[in-house]
Amino acid sequence: NAGVTQTPKFQVLKTGQSMTLQCAQDMNHEYMSWYRQDPGMGLRLIHYSVGAGITDQGEVPNGYNVSRSTTEDFPLRLLSAAPSQTSVYFCASGGYEQYFGPGTRLTVT
Amino acid sequence: GESVGLHLPTLSVQEGDNSIINCAYSNSASDYFIWYKQESGKGPQFIIDIRSNMDKRQGQRVTVLLNKTVKHLSLQIAATQPGDSAVYFCAEGGSGYSTLTFGKGTMLLVSP
Repeated sequence: NAGVTQTPKFQVLKTGQSMTLQCAQDMNHEYMSWYRQDPGMGLRLIHYSVGAGITDQGEVPNGYNVSRSTTEDFPLRLLSAAPSQTSVYFCASGGYEQYFGPGTRLTVT
Repeated sequence: GESVGLHLPTLSVQEGDNSIINCAYSNSASDYFIWYKQESGKGPQFIIDIRSNMDKRQGQRVTVLLNKTVKHLSLQIAATQPGDSAVYFCAEGGSGYSTLTFGKGTMLLVSP
């Protein structure tokens, strides 16, 4: 099993550009989530999903969209990137014991 | 370098010492508590969990203690090794498929 995979590993965007961060898991988990991690802030929940077709907002959802068309995939979309979205993004799957991907380091200039 | 450790509380120990990392949680209704380890450049990795109906749980070289009276969680690492150097996060959640709330983390530095 690959576990949780994320692409890309690194990305640089200009303000106003859009992009999609990809996340996939092969553990057949219903629960998936996206976090952002900023220095000294721990991990903050952006959006989560409890199954295909069901998503909900976390602590910091503004500026991000998600969809869950399959159990395996949970992409995160930035519609118009802002410098405040410079961060490291982690996708996770699982219930009580969440498995994290390796992260995407995003810089918005 | 990894920027997640910037401005974090830091615990420095010698190899072979026992380490204790503390965490204060916020929600008295939380049912589930987890400790994660994050090495530089990697995603958080599950270490150990404990349910609210327990006050102690042991794993391999690690013990988690839960004090619900004062909403305090601790992670004890026995015979700390250089490979234990990382940032450690506690997280709390409710029952069922619940979102987790993470603490800000503690950096553990182990010198040989």
